[in-house]
Amino acid sequence: KQEVTQIPAALSVPEGENLVLNCSFTDSAIYNLQWFRQDPGKGLTSLLLIQSSQREQTSGRLNASLDKSSGRSTLYIAASQPGDSATYLCAGTSGTYKYIFGTGTRLKVLA
Amino acid sequence: NAGVTQTPKFQVLKTGQSMTLQCAQDMNHEYMSWYRQDPGMGLRLIHYSVGAGITDQGEVPNGYNVSRSTTEDFPLRLLSAAPSQTSVYFCASSYQGLAGANEQFFGPGTRLTVL
Repeated sequence: KQEVTQIPAALSVPEGENLVLNCSFTDSAIYNLQWFRQDPGKGLTSLLLIQSSQREQTSGRLNASLDKSSGRSTLYIAASQPGDSATYLCAGTSGTYKYIFGTGTRLKVLA
Repeated sequence: NAGVTQTPKFQVLKTGQSMTLQCAQDMNHEYMSWYRQDPGMGLRLIHYSVGAGITDQGEVPNGYNVSRSTTEDFPLRLLSAAPSQTSVYFCASSYQGLAGANEQFFGPGTRLTVL
């Protein structure tokens, strides 16, 4: 059974730091991988999608990569800001219609 | 585009009551799904649909029914609510990729409490 682990579970950093969030899958056969942001009491906002033929995606200060040999993905946030404070979730599919989600990393960026 | 919409935003039920959570999308997505989110357990897939008239079970389907009569709508029915169904429910939709679901877009959620 595919399981997803996100490390760390919580993170608190001062503004301006570069940081890395990690996501790993027990089954490395990941087809699509998506990173989301969730603000308290809100829905999920899609940040980046890495499709089957890709290895990384970039959007502004965010960069996500996927190592298909190990089933690990990282989300890199450059020059963090207080507005980046949220929970970050990764989700992957192994070529089916079922996305499996991690439990998230709660990020707090201090001003 | 309104994207993915869900109604109601909040609901309180008594044990044994039934209700339908509504979900609609205006992006002409083939794939739609329902998740529940519980503290410490992440999002778990309840049911999904790859097109009108086609539905299948996810990880936690017991106690829930779905149907997909149109591309736009994908309602989730609780036939006899139980306290264990207290959760936040999210609906999502996506284009159907070459092999499975593509980028998913989520609705704002329905917060359900069963007493």
